[in-house]
Amino acid sequence: EIVLTQSPGTLSLSPGERATLSCRASQSVSSSFFSWYQQKPGQAPRLLIYGASSRATGIPGRFSGSGSGTDFTLTISRLEPEDFAVYYCQQSGDSPRTFGQGTKVEIK
Amino acid sequence: QVQLQESGPRLVKPSETLSLTCSVSGGSINSYYWNWIRQPPGKGLEWIGYIYYSGSSHYNPSLKSRVTISVDTSKNQFSLKLSSVAAADTAVYYCASTKGAVAPFDYWGQGTLITVSS
Repeated sequence: EIVLTQSPGTLSLSPGERATLSCRASQSVSSSFFSWYQQKPGQAPRLLIYGASSRATGIPGRFSGSGSGTDFTLTISRLEPEDFAVYYCQQSGDSPRTFGQGTKVEIK
Repeated sequence: QVQLQESGPRLVKPSETLSLTCSVSGGSINSYYWNWIRQPPGKGLEWIGYIYYSGSSHYNPSLKSRVTISVDTSKNQFSLKLSSVAAADTAVYYCASTKGAVAPFDYWGQGTLITVSS
């Protein structure tokens, strides 16, 4: 099973600041099978990024993904108030599909 | 746009079987792969398994001995059964779709909290 480890656990930032979230895989993952999700309290996760760097439909341009192999990054260029949430990375290249434990982006 | 809605008993007794149904609207169940994912309160996400409309399925090995996912194409629904539940199975259960067996989860249901308690 591929274990995904996200860092940091919590990121305290102010609106307008840049957020950089990391996800490290225990073994190499094809970029084609790597995704990021956003989850707000009481809501289902929402797909943000697929294929490591492609934005899902309707996702603003301030969200970007990068990385390959075992190291992947989600960047939010300038935080908007609605971006404060928990973010999960996920791989589907190996079974079982697994998620990271999440990074909470909170208002400083 | 595909819409998903989970339904089923919200309280299950220990050792019994959890049963949930996901109703699909806005799209045909004869496309996509149909998944179940769960999230214990305050914790992360765990993929349970998927089924294709043809009936082929694939489960998380950690739950495989207790899980059955089935599909009813005539009703545009798919279902989850999890047997021999315990308190550790208390979670929000989500149904979700993917365009392929290894594609990302693009549509999600709102989720339903299932509590295992006597």
